[in-house]
Amino acid sequence: SQTIHQWPATLVQPVGSPLSLECTVEGTSNPNLYWYRQAAGRGLQLLFYSVGIGQISSEVPQNLSASRPQDRQFILSSKKLLLSDSGFYLCAFGVRVPPLHFGNGTRLTVT
Amino acid sequence: GNSVTQMEGPVTLSEEAFLTINCTYTATGYPSLFWYVQYPGEGLQLLLKATKADDKGSNKGFEATYRKETTSFHLEKGSVQVSDSAVYFCALSDLNFGNEKLTFGTGTRLTIIP
Repeated sequence: SQTIHQWPATLVQPVGSPLSLECTVEGTSNPNLYWYRQAAGRGLQLLFYSVGIGQISSEVPQNLSASRPQDRQFILSSKKLLLSDSGFYLCAFGVRVPPLHFGNGTRLTVT
Repeated sequence: GNSVTQMEGPVTLSEEAFLTINCTYTATGYPSLFWYVQYPGEGLQLLLKATKADDKGSNKGFEATYRKETTSFHLEKGSVQVSDSAVYFCALSDLNFGNEKLTFGTGTRLTIIP
């Protein structure tokens, strides 16, 4: 069966520190991969998506970057975190037929 | 571009009350429509979906009908339970762009009081 794993579940980082969130998918090949962010009191915003290895599309300008080093691995990174990067980050995958499948999320607090 | 407008929350109801959460959309092409639910501390789970006009999605007593004429996909449940307390997101997916990325509404927080 198809599953998605996202870690860590929670993270507290100081301003200016680096960030690496990882997401892996099992049970399917060549999925579309997505990073969404849910800021406090706001809806879900698409940050990045990828339709293949090394192919990253950014939806909004920001302090974050994404990479896809392997077919089923998607990484969200930052070199220097800002306070405004705090939020709930969700990874998702799709197989070109609705719906998207979401991971359990990472709650990031930048202090 | 695509957009989803969702009923503002929070919504507080008593157990066994009738629930409606309004959702309207703007989209090019022929989108699929979804309701996702987020329970406290968890990620998003698909609640129900509809892929074409007049389809009715249903799950766990919740229903929503894809109304193309009013561009709406309102979520309803006849008798809510305390366990339905969660945040509900309406979303659309437009496969014309070759991927199934979702455009979400802002979410509606629902609290059910015993």
